[in-house]
Amino acid sequence: GQNIDQPTEMTATEGAIVQINCTYQTSGFNGLFWYQQHAGEAPTFLSYNVLDGLEEKGRFSSFLSRSKGYSYLLLKELQMKDSASYLCAVRDPKAAGNKLTFGGGTRVLVKP
Amino acid sequence: EPEVTQTPSHQVTQMGQEVILRCVPISNHLYFYWYRQILGQKVEFLVSFYNNEISEKSEIFDDQFSVERPDGSNFTLKIRSTKLEDSAMYFCASSLGAGRNTIYFGEGSWLTVV
Repeated sequence: GQNIDQPTEMTATEGAIVQINCTYQTSGFNGLFWYQQHAGEAPTFLSYNVLDGLEEKGRFSSFLSRSKGYSYLLLKELQMKDSASYLCAVRDPKAAGNKLTFGGGTRVLVKP
Repeated sequence: EPEVTQTPSHQVTQMGQEVILRCVPISNHLYFYWYRQILGQKVEFLVSFYNNEISEKSEIFDDQFSVERPDGSNFTLKIRSTKLEDSAMYFCASSLGAGRNTIYFGEGSWLTVV
């Protein structure tokens, strides 16, 4: 099975940086996704890591360490619109169906 | 930008009634999925569909659930006899392939069973 942990909630100030951690314990691993989800809306793809290291995409970066079962999403120059939940999801390598298992999400509140 | 579209956006149904949720995946995608999210809880995998058949399903996806691709564009989720605990947001998703291909989600269909 898959167990994915991330903090429930984080608060940060506009313009600041926030790091959202995700740890996973899985029987296998075939990639980790980060999605952003505003309340009542669909998850929107942010980033994908399958190899160790940092992937940078504008204000958002994601890091993966497979040996530690650990990833983080870094949000820089926070804007009010970044207030949302951030979902960590792991792809199951044994799944014929390309299944994602999601963590509970981290709700980020950006304050002025 | 291509997107996954879902209808209806919100449906209220009585317990025991049948519900069909509809989705139009991104046109060149080959893998289709249904996920659900009960209010305040995690996004949960229900089923994946490839090459006109179910490739994987979760334990949530019991005999009350079925999926169909009735034509070249639509992908539907049917719940035969809804229960109160089926109340959730249902997300359709699609991807071009497996592996590192991104899975894109639709806006969701909010189902309320009363």
